Amino acid sequence: SQQGEEDPQALSIQEGENATMNCSYKTSINNLQWYRQNSGRGLVHLILIRSNEREKHSGRLRVTLDTSKKSSSLLITASRAADTASYFCATDKSSGSARQLTFGSGTQLTVLP
Amino acid sequence: EPEVTQTPSHQVTQMGQEVILRCVPISNHLYFYWYRQILGQKVEFLVSFYNNEISEKSEIFDDQFSVERPDGSNFTLKIRSTKLEDSAMYFCASSEIGSRNTIYFGEGSWLTVV
Repeated sequence: SQQGEEDPQALSIQEGENATMNCSYKTSINNLQWYRQNSGRGLVHLILIRSNEREKHSGRLRVTLDTSKKSSSLLITASRAADTASYFCATDKSSGSARQLTFGSGTQLTVLP
Repeated sequence: EPEVTQTPSHQVTQMGQEVILRCVPISNHLYFYWYRQILGQKVEFLVSFYNNEISEKSEIFDDQFSVERPDGSNFTLKIRSTKLEDSAMYFCASSEIGSRNTIYFGEGSWLTVV
């Protein structure tokens, strides 16, 4: 698989359930970011986790990073219909300040009311 | 929360024409970027810009493309002699200095080449 690949490609759940999306990558990274994109809209930054961090929380979001397995997961708890969107992980392996993100193909999350 | 703004939101252009996409990065950011997303495909890096010059560019960013910071607030992407395959959503982004900082994206400019 390519750098920053998410699975599943599509996920459909009921409102109130938790949604877990996974991301795998191949090269070493400085940090990994998760973004959300509503259909045809811009990329909204959700959370950044650095390579020396293992877990990070932001509201209903929980992100983990396992650099030994080169994988990350995004958990959305108590999902809402408004969480319906595509979710992308983006890896950053830049060594300097100029940053080049590599995006995955994304997980399309559908939360049913 | 400060945001990156882009104009136009949607542009339709004839093949062979030149297009300029405009962006206003977040005011205290010093790194600027362009990414693109062809419909149904991944978001791809095009170019990063710092201190009035290109710092990195991808193989996509060939001589057809150029970037400019014409004044203290705008950051533009020019696409010369557009082709059908240039049809995509183009995202501008900006960040502060330092590899630990978030990259913030705009809403995108949807370019359709006909």
